[in-house]
Amino acid sequence: DSGVTQTPKHLITATGQRVTLRCSPRSGDLSVYWYQQSLDQGLQFLIQYYNGEERAKGNILERFSAQQFPDLHSELNLSSLELGDSALYFCASSVASPGGSGYTFGSGTRLTVV
Amino acid sequence: GEDVEQSLFLSVREGDSSVINCTYTDSSSTYLYWYKQEPGAGLQLLTYIFSNMDMKQDQRLTVLLNKKDKHLSLRIADTQTGDSAIYFCAEKRGFQKLVFGTGTRLLVSP
Repeated sequence: DSGVTQTPKHLITATGQRVTLRCSPRSGDLSVYWYQQSLDQGLQFLIQYYNGEERAKGNILERFSAQQFPDLHSELNLSSLELGDSALYFCASSVASPGGSGYTFGSGTRLTVV
Repeated sequence: GEDVEQSLFLSVREGDSSVINCTYTDSSSTYLYWYKQEPGAGLQLLTYIFSNMDMKQDQRLTVLLNKKDKHLSLRIADTQTGDSAIYFCAEKRGFQKLVFGTGTRLLVSP
């Protein structure tokens, strides 16, 4: 157990639908990062939050949005889902400036859009 | 360029040494990392090296850092079938950002 909790582990939904993925960071970590991993194995950085505020944005589609709540958990909202959105979605967390501990990853949510 | 590059695939026999290579981009990176991802799982930090070091050894793992060429390698001694996974290198850029490589899939055959 890495200390980063992601729910649900698996999600199957239809095209056009909307889903919410949830992440609880490791205790004490203020930063949360979201990544998408497709079948060709690459990790795509989506977005980062630090202590409730958006800090960095990557290749996140306009149909996707995220937020970090006062208790530091984060949610990634995916709407108007397409078949190509099927992927593993990872959340990671870190202290303010990662050192030797780097980012700590959750076990991911596998999203299947049918 | 901006990308952290790794070869996509490596195949070795059980008991051999594996060497996974990575070329990073930022000469001022302070920390460089190796992560392991087993099938269906998240990324797990294996080891890291600080930029003022050339080498770090941790049991079967040896990390070599060549700052001049911005080259990082991970050597796994006596590779086992349980080492089969995707290995990602990452560099720390700036205060918070880690940039991950494309990942190398290691296949260990008996």
